[in-house]
Amino acid sequence: QVQLVESGGGLVKPGGSLRLSCVASGFNFNDYYMSWIRQTPGKGLEWISYITSIGSYPYYADSVKGRFTVSRDNAKKSLYLQVNSLRTEDTAVYYCARYVVEPPAAYFDFWGQGTLVTVSS
Amino acid sequence: QSVLTQPPSASGTPGQRVTISCSGSSSNIGRNPVNWYQHLPGTAPKLLIYSSHQRPSGVTDRFSGSKSGISASLAISGLQSEDEADYYCAAWDDSLKGWVFGGGTKLTVL
Repeated sequence: QVQLVESGGGLVKPGGSLRLSCVASGFNFNDYYMSWIRQTPGKGLEWISYITSIGSYPYYADSVKGRFTVSRDNAKKSLYLQVNSLRTEDTAVYYCARYVVEPPAAYFDFWGQGTLVTVSS
Repeated sequence: QSVLTQPPSASGTPGQRVTISCSGSSSNIGRNPVNWYQHLPGTAPKLLIYSSHQRPSGVTDRFSGSKSGISASLAISGLQSEDEADYYCAAWDDSLKGWVFGGGTKLTVL
């Protein structure tokens, strides 16, 4: 079955950095776009970024553009999110999700359980 | 403030039919399909409806989706206690060039 397992979260000071990872299993990772989505405390879901199946053309939400970088290693079936210049408002649970694109349909069909990033001094 | 607007809460008794609305604009719901997700805190969100009305394999037909104009809705029939969760709508926004979500609706089964 499809599994996505995130790691790399933790407590970091404002201005700090982290690298989040997501390891996939149960499907051909090479064939799918992947995405990062976060949920801030007490609030809803916010899409952050997606990357194509071959790692080209990453897309970012304006709120993280220039600070976050998405990448993938298909040989390791892994998705990454480098988060820099962290702000208190980046405190959230970060989810990776498999992103299905079959125009006109597009959707996140499987999600991981998330990794918590806390930005605080 | 979320781009898509959902009621913050909804409730029903077991066996009832409940509907959750999602309102957007011409740049998102008006042009693109809507997806719905179910989320229990501490767990992985689950895809319930994609392309506005399609159900993934394994999702019960008690869940159904519809879209009209710049609004969409999720209907849950035969309400069960296990349906108590947060529900989110989502759509691609052509103007923002990104995915937008509703603020979520917390469903309580009384």
